[in-house]
Amino acid sequence: GAVVSQHPSWVICKSGTSVKIECRSLDFQATTMFWYRQFPKQSLMLMATSNEGSKATYEQGVEKDKFLINHASLTLSTLTVTSAHPEDSSFYICSASTRGGRTEAFFGQGTRLTVV
Amino acid sequence: QKEVEQNSGPLSVPEGAIASLNCTYSDRVSQSFFWYRQYSGKSPELIMSIYSNGDKEDGRFTAQLNKASQYVSLLIRDSQPSDSATYLCAVIISSGSARQLTFGSGTQLTVLP
Repeated sequence: GAVVSQHPSWVICKSGTSVKIECRSLDFQATTMFWYRQFPKQSLMLMATSNEGSKATYEQGVEKDKFLINHASLTLSTLTVTSAHPEDSSFYICSASTRGGRTEAFFGQGTRLTVV
Repeated sequence: QKEVEQNSGPLSVPEGAIASLNCTYSDRVSQSFFWYRQYSGKSPELIMSIYSNGDKEDGRFTAQLNKASQYVSLLIRDSQPSDSATYLCAVIISSGSARQLTFGSGTQLTVLP
């Protein structure tokens, strides 16, 4: 299957700081990337969908000013958690898809964020 | 009604048995269906895709699709403890003018040695 690389795998940051997570599709062009958050023992929660060159579409209840998403190229999307707080601690996962998200998606390895 | 529904489980089966995972979906015109496996603390990985009615086999895994009943299932034969994971059903669902991959909440499977 296609390879999606997500970095960093884990990060610990102080409350109030910002953290950037990168998601790269290594061997295909990802017209659409998805960002998810997953709390322990809970299901995936879609945060936002980004199409290359366009503004991200955020799910209801997700603060777009707090979770900044940039999808400037067909192989890279970034999620920046701004002014992080302990309640933002979670497992963040990106996935990438071709054809505007109308096919299967391939997931990055995930980023475990801990805010102290 | 959720767009993609799965029994959350947990489902426990003994080693060597057949594990049966079920999924229903709401969009009658959906054409693409996927099964993902997620180990604890890891991200999901794609294990099966199916597009036509009937069965599709890949090793110990068999995906079954019935579009008339809006039902897709995953069978795991000769279950192994290493199959213990959460299995996510995903369907391309129409939402307004868009079509997008939509996940169920997952079924947790435990294979007992």
